[in-house]
Amino acid sequence: RKEVEQDPGPFNVPEGATVAFNCTYSNSASQSFFWYRQDCRKEPKLLMSVYSSGNEDGRFTAQLNRASQYISLLIRDSKLSDSATYLCVVLDSNYQLIWGAGTKLIIKP
Amino acid sequence: DAEITQSPRHKITETGRQVTLACHQTWNHNNMFWYRQDLGHGLRLIHYSYGVQDTNKGEVSDGYSVSRSNTEDLPLTLESAASSQTSVYFCASSESMGREDTGELFFGEGSRLTVL
Repeated sequence: RKEVEQDPGPFNVPEGATVAFNCTYSNSASQSFFWYRQDCRKEPKLLMSVYSSGNEDGRFTAQLNRASQYISLLIRDSKLSDSATYLCVVLDSNYQLIWGAGTKLIIKP
Repeated sequence: DAEITQSPRHKITETGRQVTLACHQTWNHNNMFWYRQDLGHGLRLIHYSYGVQDTNKGEVSDGYSVSRSNTEDLPLTLESAASSQTSVYFCASSESMGREDTGELFFGEGSRLTVL
């Protein structure tokens, strides 16, 4: 079992819709959680950290469920520019970042 | 503006050749990392460094080496390139990786290596 698992997608979503995807992690001692965004053939960039209480940044909402060991990312009012691969990242108890393989999102006009 | 640059951006080499990928950052970050990214896999850590003269093996370090002689540079060397090392390589840096840290890594644009 992979330490961090994501549905690879692609998720094909019409512009303006709401889309959500999850990421599960296997190590219950994981400390911190992040979502990165990676555009095609580009480097990953931090989208947002995921806090225990959940957090929101504009149209993006991230949530953490420690009991079920998953994090989620919700995108409201999706834009064409949201098309990208979203990488789930977990900081384990050894302070190593463990990366999911990513979920590809395609926003269609 | 501070940045992190990788070179070359694209390289084609032959099996058995030695290859060095350069990484240079002007963030003055102590931590630097090398990852490889392959289809169907998350980023996998090759080597990392927490400061000058410090280097550590990551998850997939076999066949790779690094050295850290100054804060700015962490070159990655493939001693004898193999076809299995065909990949996209990303260098990254960060300030720290503690409980209080944002966990933000700053990545270079990547180096696409093909080993024939």
